Amino acid sequence: RKEVEQDPGPFNVPEGATVAFNCTYSNSASQSFFWYRQDCRKEPKLLMSVYSSGNEDGRFTAQLNRASQYISLLIRDSKLSDSATYLCVVNPASGGSYIPTFGRGTSLIVHP
Amino acid sequence: DVKVTQSSRYLVKRTGEKVFLECVQDMDHENMFWYRQDPGLGLRLIYFSYDVKMKEKGDIPEGYSVSREKKERFSLILESASTNQTSMYLCASNRDTEAFFGQGTRLTVV
Repeated sequence: RKEVEQDPGPFNVPEGATVAFNCTYSNSASQSFFWYRQDCRKEPKLLMSVYSSGNEDGRFTAQLNRASQYISLLIRDSKLSDSATYLCVVNPASGGSYIPTFGRGTSLIVHP
Repeated sequence: DVKVTQSSRYLVKRTGEKVFLECVQDMDHENMFWYRQDPGLGLRLIYFSYDVKMKEKGDIPEGYSVSREKKERFSLILESASTNQTSMYLCASNRDTEAFFGQGTRLTVV
């Protein structure tokens, strides 16, 4: 079983739609959680960190459920420019270091 | 502006060649990582290093080695390149939490 699981999609939504992605992780000792965005042929870049209390950044909301070991990302009022692959990242600790462990990514396509 | 820099964006090498991929970070991070990314498989960890001269195998180390002689530099070595090592290679670094990535090296082995 892969440590971090995501639905690969693609999620194909119209502009203005609300879309949600989930991600589950298997290592209960994981310490920190992130969503990264990756555009085609580019490197991943941090979208937002995910905190236990939940956090919001404009149209984006991230939630963490430690008991069920999943994190989520909600995008409201989707824009064409939101089209990308969204990577769930979990940092289990290993000998004092945090090793970013990636899901396979969820592809989002926003169309006019 | 923090930076992780990979030496090449695109490389084409022949089967059996020894290949060096270089990565440099300017953030004084202890931890550095090499991943490869393939369609449908996501990012898979090859090796990581948590200090100078220290290295640990990741999930897919076979066919690769690494070198970290200085804190800012982490090299990935393909001892004898093979066609199944054609991939996108991504270097990253972190201290405690957020990882920063280089722009990636697309390696083609022919």
